[in-house]
Amino acid sequence: AQTVTQSQPEMSVQEAETVTLSCTYDTSESNYYLFWYKQPPSRQMILVIRQEAYKQQNATENRFSVNFQKAAKSFSLKISDSQLGDTAMYFCAFMTAQGGSEKLVFGKGTKLTVNP
Amino acid sequence: GAVVSQHPSWVICKSGTSVKIECRSLDFQATTMFWYRQFPKQSLMLMATSNEGSKATYEQGVEKDKFLINHASLTLSTLTVTSAHPEDSSFYICSASTARKNEKLFFGSGTQLSVL
Repeated sequence: AQTVTQSQPEMSVQEAETVTLSCTYDTSESNYYLFWYKQPPSRQMILVIRQEAYKQQNATENRFSVNFQKAAKSFSLKISDSQLGDTAMYFCAFMTAQGGSEKLVFGKGTKLTVNP
Repeated sequence: GAVVSQHPSWVICKSGTSVKIECRSLDFQATTMFWYRQFPKQSLMLMATSNEGSKATYEQGVEKDKFLINHASLTLSTLTVTSAHPEDSSFYICSASTARKNEKLFFGSGTQLSVL
């Protein structure tokens, strides 16, 4: 079974600075999908970024980018120019590419606080 | 963008009663819907996968007779918590996907269930 590990329960960063959230995963599959989701205090799950494992190029979405190291099974999220609205729980998630399953396996999350 | 509506957003019920939670895809047909449970300050745990027109697939350890899932149409899935007890108090979130694998998964806004 796949597992996702987020080793940083909490992190904080000053507004406008850069922060990196860590995520490692364990799988025997060669093709899969990785995600970062944001859950603000409203508890609405919001997709931040998605990476397909067969793509070597790291995904980017505006201020959010990932460092995908397939061999190391690492998938970190970098948030540049942090904003107060980035304060939230961030979950790393894994999805297999095999079969028809689209269920997500989530890490335990990292609580990010952006300080003014 | 696609929207998933989840209702109610919160519900309080007495122990022993049943509660129904609805998850609707508003502008797309969701062949598959997922039900997650989230305890305070914890991650999302998949409870079951709901496919339109067929029986739901439950994750290990989830009581199918307690958490009844119905996916009668391509736009509606319901989760019924039967004979609710205080330990069932939790935040329940649904997500929905289209038939195209790994299109963006859309999450409902969640339902906070409190059982007295």
